[in-house]
Amino acid sequence: QSVLTQPPSVSGAPGQRVTISCTGSSSNIGAGYDVHWYQQLPGTAPKLLIYTNSDRPSGVPDRFSGSKSGTSASLAITGLQAEDEADYYCQSYDSSLSGSVFGGGTKLTVL
Amino acid sequence: QVTLKESGPALVKPTQTLTLTCTFSGFSLSTSGMRVSWIRQPPGKALEWLARIDWDDDKFYSTSLKTRLTISKDTSKNQVVLTMTNMEPVDTATYYCARHQYGSGSLMDFWGQGTTVTVSS
Repeated sequence: QSVLTQPPSVSGAPGQRVTISCTGSSSNIGAGYDVHWYQQLPGTAPKLLIYTNSDRPSGVPDRFSGSKSGTSASLAITGLQAEDEADYYCQSYDSSLSGSVFGGGTKLTVL
Repeated sequence: QVTLKESGPALVKPTQTLTLTCTFSGFSLSTSGMRVSWIRQPPGKALEWLARIDWDDDKFYSTSLKTRLTISKDTSKNQVVLTMTNMEPVDTATYYCARHQYGSGSLMDFWGQGTTVTVSS
């Protein structure tokens, strides 16, 4: 069981908007630690998608955005495209575990 | 250009010790603020952070695997080595190494392609 909780799956039609939640606790997200998001396309390594809660690395479309509030964070994807079909993971730091923690991952299906 | 590549045995027997090497380029682990982590992913399952080593040789381990893991670095070879003792079939996974963004204890900005390890007799 992952320290950060994500929905196992979300889906949306092309062009639609979807959000993926990431719920933590007072020892990680709620303690003020940053949340990062990774996209994992089938059969490939994770790739940094959103860092420090809401920043996008160079090359990531602005269709992807992140936010954080309290003990939770969210990833929003607008204008869904077939190429967005992937697994998405949130990640933060946990002070009680003294290490990084990941969410259980969310599989995005583009209908 | 930052690159990382994992290497090690594809198959290990139960009770054996696994040794994985992460060979990287484009940065130096002797530079203040640099860090490298190991992460694994069992087939069809989520990512799990395993261990981290910092430029100053500080080391951090997953609490659930701490007794079985050792991380070390060879800055002259640009390598980070992870050993995991007493391997079990549940340790079957793809193992990744990743670089932390300068100064960050959590953000992993570059990842290797991963190496798949199967534990079976």
